[in-house]
Amino acid sequence: KNQVEQSPQSLIILEGKNCTLQCNYTVSPFSNLRWYKQDTGRGPVSLTIMTFSENTKSNGRYTATLDADTKQSSLHITASQLSDSASYICVVAPGSGYALNFGKGTSLLVTP
Amino acid sequence: NAGVTQTPKFQVLKTGQSMTLQCAQDMNHNSMYWYRQDPGMGLRLIYYSASEGTTDKGEVPNGYNVSRLNKREFSLRLESAAPSQTSVYFCASSEAISGGWAQYFGPGTRLLVL
Repeated sequence: KNQVEQSPQSLIILEGKNCTLQCNYTVSPFSNLRWYKQDTGRGPVSLTIMTFSENTKSNGRYTATLDADTKQSSLHITASQLSDSASYICVVAPGSGYALNFGKGTSLLVTP
Repeated sequence: NAGVTQTPKFQVLKTGQSMTLQCAQDMNHNSMYWYRQDPGMGLRLIYYSASEGTTDKGEVPNGYNVSRLNKREFSLRLESAAPSQTSVYFCASSEAISGGWAQYFGPGTRLLVL
């Protein structure tokens, strides 16, 4: 069973609008949670990384939040741009070991 | 810095053929990884190498072998390719940062096994 679930599976928004992507996880214990952006045909690129003690982390127009009690994270994208069209992947690192837990990703399409 | 590079970018094999996917990083990272990404699934770890001279199995190692040639290079070999190994393969390396470690991914190798 996948320990990292993302929603929605896909999303279409108009350029300039905001959106929020969700990530629920069951990995326990965990050391950190990351959000990656993956453009079509490219490898994932890190957007944010948060430890279990952090609640929020920003990277430009991207803001990630983490609630370790409910095991939920969200990625908020402000004033979306066409270049934000990509897959966004939530990744949870366990408390020990090298095996990361990857979500299946949310596919975002920003239209003019 | 080129970061993580992978060769080839694309490859078509026939069932039973062998090939080696190459990966190199110029960031002086100790740890390197091989993942596969299939439609509708998250990235899955095939093998990893915590440091030069060591390798360990990940979630889906069957049908693959790896070699950590030196600190820079980590190769993935398919001895007898099968259609189930059609996938996109990503190599990654990681460095320790505050709160954990950060992974850097290569551009991927798209493999089709007929």
